[in-house]
Amino acid sequence: DGGITQSPKYLFRKEGQNVTLSCEQNLNHDAMYWYRQDPGQGLRLIYYSQIVNDFQKGDIAEGYSVSREKKESFPLTVTSAQKNPTAFYLCASRPEGRTDTQYFGPGTRLTVL
Amino acid sequence: GENVEQHPSTLSVQEGDSAVIKCTYSDSASNYFPWYKQELGKGPQLIIDIRSNVGEKKDQRIAVTLNKTAKHFSLHITETQPEDSAVYFCAASHPRGGSYIPTFGRGTSLIVHP
Repeated sequence: DGGITQSPKYLFRKEGQNVTLSCEQNLNHDAMYWYRQDPGQGLRLIYYSQIVNDFQKGDIAEGYSVSREKKESFPLTVTSAQKNPTAFYLCASRPEGRTDTQYFGPGTRLTVL
Repeated sequence: GENVEQHPSTLSVQEGDSAVIKCTYSDSASNYFPWYKQELGKGPQLIIDIRSNVGEKKDQRIAVTLNKTAKHFSLHITETQPEDSAVYFCAASHPRGGSYIPTFGRGTSLIVHP
């Protein structure tokens, strides 16, 4: 997991509530990513950010929002508009100067009741 | 967009046997192919990667091969051990929005029986 931290490890929320997942890295990586993982599925890209104050939608951005105010932090908000939010959420970052290799955090399991 | 197919979805072997996981990709512009190992409840860990200018790469008991013409790449694990049991993901990294973004396969659950 290196210097990428995600908190909390487990998160429970009631349906209809927004929830924010934390991702912090102290590796001085430029780019950061959010993925969603469901059982039997690969990792699906939600949002990514290559530099501070800039981010792009991934393949399944609907119902999610992000911000990138600091290089080290890339929080993900799961809004009430996300129809099926229960999943394992993974944050990743990419070293400066590299265009491809990603390193992952330990993940947050979100359960919406 | 890129599409990555991974097979098999489950692989069961005896300790000491070899294991092979295969992936195919669709976008000829993909040029970087990492493999990740994910243990239960944890994030994926990069175990080996290969770039498009190389046909094979080895790291101790792990090797990856790439056939760009056929658009497929494989992970080979020799002398498997129980601690190799995990879910393995392949990915193909392709240009997108000024960067290279990986598309992942669905994963292979490897079970190594003692």
